[in-house]
Amino acid sequence: EDQVTQSPEALRLQEGESSSLNCSYTVSGLRGLFWYRQDPGKGPEFLFTLYSAGEEKEKERLKATLTKKESFLHITAPKPEDSATYLCAVQAIHLAAGNKLTFGGGTRVLVKP
Amino acid sequence: NAGVTQTPKFRILKIGQSMTLQCTQDMNHNYMYWYRQDPGMGLKLIYYSVGAGITDKGEVPNGYNVSRSTTEDFPLRLELAAPSQTSVYFCASSPHAGGTQETQYFGPGTRLLVL
Repeated sequence: EDQVTQSPEALRLQEGESSSLNCSYTVSGLRGLFWYRQDPGKGPEFLFTLYSAGEEKEKERLKATLTKKESFLHITAPKPEDSATYLCAVQAIHLAAGNKLTFGGGTRVLVKP
Repeated sequence: NAGVTQTPKFRILKIGQSMTLQCTQDMNHNYMYWYRQDPGMGLKLIYYSVGAGITDKGEVPNGYNVSRSTTEDFPLRLELAAPSQTSVYFCASSPHAGGTQETQYFGPGTRLLVL
């Protein structure tokens, strides 16, 4: 069974204080690892897809990296507008159909000015 | 493009009542999904569809039904509402398959309270 665990559950940062979020996964063949941002009362918003160990992707203050067992989302010099819940999800190669995603529980990030 | 739209935004149901959550996408995506999200939890897949007329169960299908008569619409039906179905429901869609086209795009959600 595919499993995704995110840590920490919650993170309080001062503006400008860089940090990293962890996403550990267990899957029998990774097709892709996805990062989403979710603001309160809204649907998840796509950030990145990573496909193979060693891959990195960046978007503004966010950088996602991938190893064979985990992914990190680095937030560099965060601003209050980076406050959100960040969700990690995996897609397995073994799926017969449907591109189904298995999600972790998310990390709630609060950036204080 | 509106993307993925969901109605209603919020609904209160009494135990035993039925309702349909609507989902429409205008991106001509083949794949559509229904998830539920409980407080502090990740999203769990209820049902999905790989095209019109084809649906399949996800991780937590009990108490729900779906249909897919068109590419655009994927309604979720709750037949006998129970307090355990209190949750936020998200609909998502993705293109057929392959590379970045596997990305799922989500609607704004429907918040359901069963009392």
